[in-house]
Amino acid sequence: DADVTQTPRNRITKTGKRIMLECSQTKGHDRMYWYRQDPGLGLRLIYYSFDVKDINKGEISDGYSVSRQAQAKFSLSLESAIPNQTALYFCATSDDPLYGYTFGSGTRLTVV
Amino acid sequence: GDSVTQMEGPVTLSEEAFLTINCTYTATGYPSLFWYVQYPGEGLQLLLKATKADDKGSNKGFEATYRKETTSFHLEKGSVQVSDSAVYFCALVNFNKFYFGSGTKLNVKP
Repeated sequence: DADVTQTPRNRITKTGKRIMLECSQTKGHDRMYWYRQDPGLGLRLIYYSFDVKDINKGEISDGYSVSRQAQAKFSLSLESAIPNQTALYFCATSDDPLYGYTFGSGTRLTVV
Repeated sequence: GDSVTQMEGPVTLSEEAFLTINCTYTATGYPSLFWYVQYPGEGLQLLLKATKADDKGSNKGFEATYRKETTSFHLEKGSVQVSDSAVYFCALVNFNKFYFGSGTKLNVKP
């Protein structure tokens, strides 16, 4: 099994719909992150969590919300999807950032 | 604020050619530096890292040296293979925050 599992892998949804992207990890790490990848823009941080009770906004949190259900689970929600939220979304986890992140395989979201 | 700048791609090379992908950074303090690789359809994987000035990170024939005087962490490989075709991201972590470059796509032709 992968260390970081994201579901779904691909999703097409309509404008205005609510959608949840899920992430679970088996690394036992406290820190979890959601990133968005757009062509030519690299990765941008949406939200991050240092433990179950600690949730923080990243640089592009508007239009998104998160839930840290357990140490191993961190979900990203789009309450009302819009087309410019079409992107590749990555979940990541780390024990100590100095040692780098472990990334999931990504969720490709298309909002039509 | 902190940031990472890497060369735009795509970079197209023939197999066995020498590779350099430039990366420079802006940061206060003493960041750690990373190269990540993203193969088609996959997430990012840590390729190598360096945690202090003059450290050399290396893995799978790739290497990069942390140059504080030039604020650079250029990625090099002496002889690329078709299987090295991927997107490469330079990144830094400083005060528990990660900053990624925009990525450089490498295409290696047989």
